[in-house]
Amino acid sequence: QITLKESGPTLVKPTQTLTLTCTFSGFSLSTSGVGVGWIRQPPGKALEWLALIYWDDDERYSPSLKSRLTITKDTSKNQVVLTMTNMDPVDTATYYCAHRPYGSSWHHWGQGILVTVSS
Amino acid sequence: QSALTQPASVSGSPGQSITISCTGTNSDVGSSNLVSWYQQHPGKAPKLMIYEVSKRPSGVSNRFSGSKSGNTASLTISGLQAEDEADYYCCSYAGFSTPFVFGTGTKVTVL
Repeated sequence: QITLKESGPTLVKPTQTLTLTCTFSGFSLSTSGVGVGWIRQPPGKALEWLALIYWDDDERYSPSLKSRLTITKDTSKNQVVLTMTNMDPVDTATYYCAHRPYGSSWHHWGQGILVTVSS
Repeated sequence: QSALTQPASVSGSPGQSITISCTGTNSDVGSSNLVSWYQQHPGKAPKLMIYEVSKRPSGVSNRFSGSKSGNTASLTISGLQAEDEADYYCCSYAGFSTPFVFGTGTKVTVL
């Protein structure tokens, strides 16, 4: 059974850096082709893809947010970490991590974590 | 990379069939068969319903089907049921540097 769970702060102040951790089980991020990524959803709005890290450490970022994002992995801990700098109230959203076994589809999702940006 | 275009809302009566469109460009939807669809109930995480245009993951009802023509992908729900009332999002491969772009989302209402 594949599971993913997001953890991190639920409230950050403007200009701060957000660090979110995705802890997963049921698959290995060292398996060829596998990736783990982050997707966010502002309240009442659509899904937005943020970042993806592949089994071979290759990284991909949303062009509009690339300068603010870093994604890393710790295969031994089954974790993927997303950092987003210079947080703004418009970044208030539920942040999901998800499992991409191959291709361009997200087969398993975490429950999400609501992050609010407010002073 | 712009979001894929979906109708804001689609509705149907129980038992009917509805189709949700997802329109992109030659650079995303039209460039490959890597289109997927997700169902999201309020307050819940999205759930994969269709991948690679028309494949269903294990456990997904065969009432859900997908297709693609040119730059437009479609999700059809047949035999509409109350439990199908949810938001639906398409997602497409959009190139080596931007492997994912989501649609604007469609709210499905069962009348």
